[in-house]
Amino acid sequence: QSALTQPPSASGSPGQSVTISCTGTSSDVGGSKYVSWYHQHPGKAPKLMIYEVNKRPSGVPDRFSGSKSGNTASLTVSGLQAEDEADYYCSSYGGSNNVVFGGGTKLTVL
Amino acid sequence: QISLKESGPTLVKPTQTLTLTCTFSGFSLRTSGVGVGWIRQPPGKALEWLALIYWDDDKPYSPSLKSRLTITKDTSRNQVVLTMTNMDPVDTATYYCARTLYFSGTYSFDYWGQGTLVTVSS
Repeated sequence: QSALTQPPSASGSPGQSVTISCTGTSSDVGGSKYVSWYHQHPGKAPKLMIYEVNKRPSGVPDRFSGSKSGNTASLTVSGLQAEDEADYYCSSYGGSNNVVFGGGTKLTVL
Repeated sequence: QISLKESGPTLVKPTQTLTLTCTFSGFSLRTSGVGVGWIRQPPGKALEWLALIYWDDDKPYSPSLKSRLTITKDTSRNQVVLTMTNMDPVDTATYYCARTLYFSGTYSFDYWGQGTLVTVSS
């Protein structure tokens, strides 16, 4: 069982927006600015999409945005494209030099 | 250009010790703020963080696996080695190494290796 809770699946049509949630506790998501999001295509390594809640690494489109409220972090993908179909994982600093991941969300572009 | 690559056995027997090597290029573990971590992913399951090693030799471990893990670095060879003792079939997973930057993106991993699948079976 993963430390952070994500919905197993999410979906949207091309051009639409979709938001994926990541719920933890005050010991991790709620108490940390170190929340990250990754996407992972089948058979590939994860790719960092968001770090420190809402920062985008160089090269990541601004269609991807992150936010946090209380113990829940969110990733929003706007203007959905076919290539956005992937598994998405959140992670957070969990206190005491620990990093915790979510269970993953499979995003389907309809 | 930054790259990382994992190497090690593809098959280990239960109770054996696993040794994985991450060989990287394009950055140095002598540089302040740089770290390399290990993350694994059982087939069809979620990611799980295992360990990190930083430029200053700080070595955080996953609390649930700490007793079984050792991470070391060889800065001259640009390598990080992870050992995991007492392997069990539930440890079957793809093992990734990845870079982190302590001062910009702490606890996030911006470059990943391709991963190496380790199967634990007798």
